[in-house]
Amino acid sequence: DAGITQSPRHKVTETGTPVTLRCHQTENHRYMYWYRQDPGHGLRLIHYSYGVKDTDKGEVSDGYSVSRSKTEDFLLTLESATSSQTSVYFCAISLEGGGTGDGYTFGSGTRLTVV
Amino acid sequence: QKEVEQNSGPLSVPEGAIASLNCTYSDRVSQSFFWYRQYSGKSPELIMSIYSNGDKEDGRFTAQLNKASQYVSLLIRDSQPSDSATYLCAAGRDGQNFVFGPGTRLSVLP
Repeated sequence: DAGITQSPRHKVTETGTPVTLRCHQTENHRYMYWYRQDPGHGLRLIHYSYGVKDTDKGEVSDGYSVSRSKTEDFLLTLESATSSQTSVYFCAISLEGGGTGDGYTFGSGTRLTVV
Repeated sequence: QKEVEQNSGPLSVPEGAIASLNCTYSDRVSQSFFWYRQYSGKSPELIMSIYSNGDKEDGRFTAQLNKASQYVSLLIRDSQPSDSATYLCAAGRDGQNFVFGPGTRLSVLP
């Protein structure tokens, strides 16, 4: 199984503070993703990465930035947290089955509450 | 905008029955389709993938794909209470950047 860990698992932060979530993988996968999951919306893509220093925006990228300085780590930063960013955040890695893909493996998630 | 639609449910079925979960997608170029199961408070886990029209069976699960109708389904035979979860459908073009549906909540009643 692909090793993927997220930290922290839970976090409560105040409005206006920066927050960084970490995703770490152990199997050298090229593609990594950050999603948020909210009731009624399902999983929505925030940002993704296709290699070291190669990232792109997803459908809900406003207020978020990412960095990938090493293959194994993909960081998500909320530049100035707002209550609308209260959510569960999932990191995912692509199992990379060629042109059609083999789907994703997800991390355990980070439950973020902005008060 | 690419979309994947699912009935949010809950879909309730008695134990031992067949559960039928449905999904439609808007991007005609989609080639890859996946079903994920998500238990409450947990992360999604991949249970089925399908790429060609027709049926694909894996144990009690059967995925069905009809590209002409842009329709994907998941059948769960002999449903068990442990199958109670939210099922997410995902579609994608090129093996990456899949779009997820909102999920269907399934409840299997003992």
